[in-house]
Amino acid sequence: GEDVEQSLFLSVREGDSSVINCTYTDSSSTYLYWYKQEPGAGLQLLTYIFSNMDMKQDQRLTVLLNKKDKHLSLRIADTQTGDSAIYFCAERRGSQGNLIFGKGTKLSVKP
Amino acid sequence: DGGITQSPKYLFRKEGQNVTLSCEQNLNHDAMYWYRQDPGQGLRLIYYSHIVNDFQKGDIAEGYSVSREKKESFPLTVTSAQKNPTAFYLCASSLWDGRNQPQHFGDGTRLSIL
Repeated sequence: GEDVEQSLFLSVREGDSSVINCTYTDSSSTYLYWYKQEPGAGLQLLTYIFSNMDMKQDQRLTVLLNKKDKHLSLRIADTQTGDSAIYFCAERRGSQGNLIFGKGTKLSVKP
Repeated sequence: DGGITQSPKYLFRKEGQNVTLSCEQNLNHDAMYWYRQDPGQGLRLIYYSHIVNDFQKGDIAEGYSVSREKKESFPLTVTSAQKNPTAFYLCASSLWDGRNQPQHFGDGTRLSIL
């Protein structure tokens, strides 16, 4: 299909790890992004990975990429209440390099 | 501070009225983008521009118009032809050199119909 797919909701307890999943569609080399959106705000770039990589780690964030299955995940270690937000996966596609976004995963962190 | 400024934060439109959303960036970015976000939806691309005086339609350009007379500015006009304009509008910018250059976003404008 044409869409970037994400599950819509995830609820975790403070201190646990969160894993947000995404599937994308482009089989060619591309960049994949994770953005965070807090209520009423714009999107904040969290991290990105090139499709020839398997993993990228940046402090509490770990991105895992399974290119065979076109599956991307974002792991947040030691999740805090401030991590509550909507997380968007995006795929860079085509010669113009435009981004195709998933519908976002709303992460709720319970104390 | 460098960044992307969208104004106004809230905007109301009457029937038959055109309204213009402002987007200014001082990041010296070449490319600028406009997205529309509806509740529970991802972002959909309205228009984009990789260089001054040139812009391209995105996936949902009907009922919208843009201009790119200056590198720093990419205003979006929501025309009366856009029958369902209520949404959250996001502007983004990036460097454009053919390689990966992530897009950075403004804080958005929420448009509602009166």
